[in-house]
Amino acid sequence: DAGVTQSPTHLIKTRGQQVTLRCSPISGHKSVSWYQQVLGQGPQFIFQYYEKEERGRGNFPDRFSARQFPNYSSELNVNALLLGDSALYLCASSLARTGYGSGNTIYFGEGSWLTVV
Amino acid sequence: RKEVEQDPGPFNVPEGATVAFNCTYSNSASQSFFWYRQDCRKEPKLLMSVYSSGNEDGRFTAQLNRASQYISLLIRDSKLSDSATYLCVVKDLDTGNQFYFGTGTSLTVIP
Repeated sequence: DAGVTQSPTHLIKTRGQQVTLRCSPISGHKSVSWYQQVLGQGPQFIFQYYEKEERGRGNFPDRFSARQFPNYSSELNVNALLLGDSALYLCASSLARTGYGSGNTIYFGEGSWLTVV
Repeated sequence: RKEVEQDPGPFNVPEGATVAFNCTYSNSASQSFFWYRQDCRKEPKLLMSVYSSGNEDGRFTAQLNRASQYISLLIRDSKLSDSATYLCVVKDLDTGNQFYFGTGTSLTVIP
């Protein structure tokens, strides 16, 4: 079975531009989360979507937005890019929205490396 | 105060050594705990969940101390392939869906 797939894997943007990152979850998983990982830090939570609705939002500015489609794939959009947005953007899928048990575990895609120049 | 705190290391140990990583979390309501492993420029991968009773998976043992809000990972008989960054991860029921990651502890196993 395919794992979490993300695209593009690498991209370079200039300040002020907009970027869209895409994610397809593991088959059967209905929950998608987005994380930002800056070099030397752990991943930071941006959003979680479950059944096409936003279920959680981290401490990120409104320049960051996301959505989930009927097939459970997701897009993360970042507007007005800043140099500080340069990071690895990770998509994670899980079986369940929340709660205990194996559905609670999140599985990451390989990420999208974004460089803002 | 950070939700999850880890000693960033680096830990440099010889092959065959036993090494332990520690992690503390700030929210006493935290309910789920994990260790993830991240290789250089790769995505984090689940190493193991951490249960209140402690759990073991081969050479890896995880412990949880709820009273002290402390999580540990013990690696016995270290292999070169264990070299990676180990991320302590906590999930709170009260924030619903957010996983909190530590900054990671870097391990290098030396031949």
